Amino acid sequence: QVQLQQWGAGLLKPSETLSLTCAVYGGSFSGYYWNWIRQPPGKGLEWIGEINRDGSSSYNPSLRSRVAISRDTSKNQFTLKLNSVTAADTAIYYCARGLRTVPYYFDFWGQGTLVTVSS
Amino acid sequence: DVQMTQSPSSVSASVGDRVTITCRASHYLDTWLAWYQQKPGKAPKLLIYAASSLQSGVPSRFSGSGSGTDFTLTITSLQPEDSATYHCQQANIFPWTFGQGTKVEIK
Repeated sequence: QVQLQQWGAGLLKPSETLSLTCAVYGGSFSGYYWNWIRQPPGKGLEWIGEINRDGSSSYNPSLRSRVAISRDTSKNQFTLKLNSVTAADTAIYYCARGLRTVPYYFDFWGQGTLVTVSS
Repeated sequence: DVQMTQSPSSVSASVGDRVTITCRASHYLDTWLAWYQQKPGKAPKLLIYAASSLQSGVPSRFSGSGSGTDFTLTITSLQPEDSATYHCQQANIFPWTFGQGTKVEIK
């Protein structure tokens, strides 16, 4: 069974860099797209970006200037970095796998990490 | 970005009832739409993709329909464990966007 386990700092100050890592257990890593999605408290979901099978990344234009997603295939892990955070970046951050056939739907998710930005 | 509008924002129904949730898109999506179920404190779970395809392991009381800009998630015979928030997501126009969610409560 596929499991995604994520970790990273949960409390940041404004202007700092958010860094989260997601480890994938079970199943193929290189054959899938891997995503980051966030959810501000009490609000809807926002897709942040993805890294595809070739290692290329795509980002939501609303965050593109501040975000980077990378992967380490030797460890079956991928990482989100979001710089210059503000209170508006406070959210639960999820990692998620794209379906093998249609990678823009998300079938396995991490447990979520609450990231709070506060001075 | 494609705006996804769900209605109602919340619904309360009894066990055994039929529940219908609607998702309307601001742009044409063909059938590039998914539905997710999210319980409090948990990650979303994929229920339906490609508007009407049931994800493996999801009970058959869940079904999806629609194309273009109007989509529906139906729960036939509501069960206590279906109490959750349901989200639609479009996958036709980059960036992928979600609806604001519909909360389903059991009376």
